[in-house]
Amino acid sequence: GAVVSQHPSWVICKSGTSVKIECRSLDFQATTMFWYRQFPKQSLMLMATSNEGSKATYEQGVEKDKFLINHASLTLSTLTVTSAHPEDSSFYICSARRDGATDTQYFGPGTRLTVL
Amino acid sequence: TQLLEQSPQFLSIQEGENLTVYCNSSSVFSSLQWYRQEPGEGPVLLVTVVTGGEVKKLKRLTFQFGDARKDSSLHITAAQPGDTGLYLCAGGSVSGKLIFGQGTTLQVKP
Repeated sequence: GAVVSQHPSWVICKSGTSVKIECRSLDFQATTMFWYRQFPKQSLMLMATSNEGSKATYEQGVEKDKFLINHASLTLSTLTVTSAHPEDSSFYICSARRDGATDTQYFGPGTRLTVL
Repeated sequence: TQLLEQSPQFLSIQEGENLTVYCNSSSVFSSLQWYRQEPGEGPVLLVTVVTGGEVKKLKRLTFQFGDARKDSSLHITAAQPGDTGLYLCAGGSVSGKLIFGQGTTLQVKP
């Protein structure tokens, strides 16, 4: 158990367009999900904490109007990169924490975003 | 601010050698996770340790949580090329977030 999926696995878009990334916990409920960004050969950088039924909590320096997060159900969180620019190109990874469990987060396979 | 210092950041060894990766902090963590990540994929959970002094073994991998729950180590015995990847330690904080170390890139040469 504890499988998290992400869709799409990769996306290429033009500068100025918006891109939506989905994160689903397939076999458990997750009131809390997390969105990370990762640069090559580096560790994960937390962008925001997504809570079902309430507003996301963003880390310092992350533009909430640019990275829109919606957590509409106990198994789905979405990240929308609005008006994407080349500097937004990156590897985006989501994770989910099983309700009632410990701190352990289970990660999705990641989404490679390339903005032309 | 809680920080986790992970070392070494890069390690290149020959197949069959042993190695240890360390994660240290001045802060206490409620738990400590170890993940392994391959290029282009998400991190995969290897183990979670929650009790001070806890030792867990996963085949050739041995994980230890310090008595004071401020540090942890990952020891790999007789490393194999399939062990190559990025190893991440992450501590559970009171905020519910995970505090990540910088990561250790391990390359095992055949």
